[in-house]
Amino acid sequence: DSGVTQTPKHLITATGQRVTLRCSPRSGDLSVYWYQQSLDQGLQFLIQYYNGEERAKGNILERFSAQQFPDLHSELNLSSLELGDSALYFCASSARGTLGTGEQYFGPGTRLTVT
Amino acid sequence: DAKTTQPPSMDCAEGRAANLPCNHSTISGNEYVYWYRQIHSQGPQYIIHGLKNNETNEMASLIITEDRKSSTLILPHATLRDTAVYYCIVRDGGGATNKLIFGTGTLLAVQP
Repeated sequence: DSGVTQTPKHLITATGQRVTLRCSPRSGDLSVYWYQQSLDQGLQFLIQYYNGEERAKGNILERFSAQQFPDLHSELNLSSLELGDSALYFCASSARGTLGTGEQYFGPGTRLTVT
Repeated sequence: DAKTTQPPSMDCAEGRAANLPCNHSTISGNEYVYWYRQIHSQGPQYIIHGLKNNETNEMASLIITEDRKSSTLILPHATLRDTAVYYCIVRDGGGATNKLIFGTGTLLAVQP
């Protein structure tokens, strides 16, 4: 158990819909990262937040957005869903946001299926 | 961040040491080598990291060559539960973000 929790575990929705994935980092960790894992693209970094502020962006679509709240939990919002958005979405947390060599701890993931 | 090259798959007998190689010939002086693994669709798991010196923890050992252009992750006594995809990642320790760039990794199959 990494200490990172994600809800829901599974999500099935239709094309065009909007969903919200939730992540609670390990206690005390200030950084939250979101990754997407699809069969054809592998594990891809989407976005990072550090103590409520966006710190880095990866290959995140404009239809996707995220935020980190004062209690440090984070939400990833996916809208206008397409079949290709079906994937595993992982959240990770680390103690440090930028400098240093902090390892990341991953949650169990949310499996999104778009039909 | 420097690119890494890993074999796509490896086999290892249960109880034997598993040695997973990684090439990172373009690594720069302030880049660290990280290893993570992913057991069948679970969240990736941190294993170990290092800069220059060899490192050991309760999970594994990391051997980095003197020129730092390659490294080897060693699982001293592989078990069936070590079957997973192992990712070698090179990352700037002083960079603007701690984001991880995953490659395709090595699928280690531990055989009974």
